[in-house]
Amino acid sequence: AQSVSQHNHHVILSEAASLELGCNYSYGGTVNLFWYVQYPGQHLQLLLKYFSGDPLVKGIKGFEAEFIKSKFSFNLRKPSVQWSDTAEYFCAVILPYGGYQKVTFGTGTKLQVIP
Amino acid sequence: SQTIHQWPATLVQPVGSPLSLECTVEGTSNPNLYWYRQAAGRGLQLLFYSVGIGQISSEVPQNLSASRPQDRQFILSSKKLLLSDSGFYLCAWSGGVYEQYFGPGTRLTVT
Repeated sequence: AQSVSQHNHHVILSEAASLELGCNYSYGGTVNLFWYVQYPGQHLQLLLKYFSGDPLVKGIKGFEAEFIKSKFSFNLRKPSVQWSDTAEYFCAVILPYGGYQKVTFGTGTKLQVIP
Repeated sequence: SQTIHQWPATLVQPVGSPLSLECTVEGTSNPNLYWYRQAAGRGLQLLFYSVGIGQISSEVPQNLSASRPQDRQFILSSKKLLLSDSGFYLCAWSGGVYEQYFGPGTRLTVT
């Protein structure tokens, strides 16, 4: 069965520090990969996605993620975080499955950015 | 544009009482619909999904059920709530592409 691992449960950074959140998945076939973000008091929303092509994906608000197939990883990065990036981040693997999207989410990483 | 609504936003119910959470989607037709429960440290757990009216699949056997009486309406129910049903419930929809769009959620507290 597919699974998604986010090893960092809680990350605390100072503003302007660089960010990298790990995401590893276990599935040998073709996958679609996503990062979602949930800001305090707001909806869960899509940050970026990877379907195919360039393994370096650019998302909103300066985030990017790199798909490394050999490592089964899809890590999220941002060169310089801001206080407004404080949120919870979820990695997800989505597979087409019998007419719907079978999705597996990671357990989430809470990012706290200190001004 | 598409929007997704959930209500109520918060709910406090005693153990043994019934439950009905509603989710509606606007601006799209024949969406796939999903119910998730979000628990701290556990991420999102898929509870039910539906690919059409009256078509419900359950991912996790439990005290809850789901129904889809109309194309853009998805209801999460329980006949008798348990303490363990407390949590944050999210509804989501997806269309022809793979990403899912989430509603604002319902915080359920069973006392």
